[in-house]
Amino acid sequence: NAGVTQTPKFRILKIGQSMTLQCTQDMNHNYMYWYRQDPGMGLKLIYYSVGAGITDKGEVPNGYNVSRSTTEDFPLRLELAAPSQTSVYFCASLGSDSQETQYFGPGTRLLVL
Amino acid sequence: GQNIDQPTEMTATEGAIVQINCTYQTSGFNGLFWYQQHAGEAPTFLSYNVLDGLEEKGRFSSFLSRSKGYSYLLLKELQMKDSASYLCAVREEDAGNMLTFGGGTRLMVKP
Repeated sequence: NAGVTQTPKFRILKIGQSMTLQCTQDMNHNYMYWYRQDPGMGLKLIYYSVGAGITDKGEVPNGYNVSRSTTEDFPLRLELAAPSQTSVYFCASLGSDSQETQYFGPGTRLLVL
Repeated sequence: GQNIDQPTEMTATEGAIVQINCTYQTSGFNGLFWYQQHAGEAPTFLSYNVLDGLEEKGRFSSFLSRSKGYSYLLLKELQMKDSASYLCAVREEDAGNMLTFGGGTRLMVKP
């Protein structure tokens, strides 16, 4: 199993541009999450999904959108990039056993200039 | 909502023991996780507590007191590679199994 994979690893955007951060997991996990981590800080939840076709807002959803058309994929969309969205973005997934930990992808580093 | 506090930075000496504390306030506690995160990398799972008491895993142990809203991560026989950030995260009773993270404690291990 590859686990949780994210693309791209690094991206520079200009203000107002849009992009999609990709996240895929091959563990057949129902739960998937998007976090952002600013320098020296903890992780903040942007959006999450409890299964295909179901998404919900986390703590900091403004400026982002998500979709979950399949169990494997959970893309995060930035429509109008702003400097405040400069951050490291982590995708995570969790199986049905709530005793398990969330598995994290390697992260996408985004710089908005 | 939740409030999770942990020290911002700690320094310890190679071979020593260090304790990283985490306090939390939550309306429906359903487990506490500790993660290790090296600079530029993703968090990796260290431990999980849902009942009061101590969980031991090799050089790492984690303690939980639900009545006090308190946990600590204990690292023994510190090694240089233990220099990293340690994240405390609390899960609430909800449909999404969401985690709320503290700000992380940056541990520097010195020779």
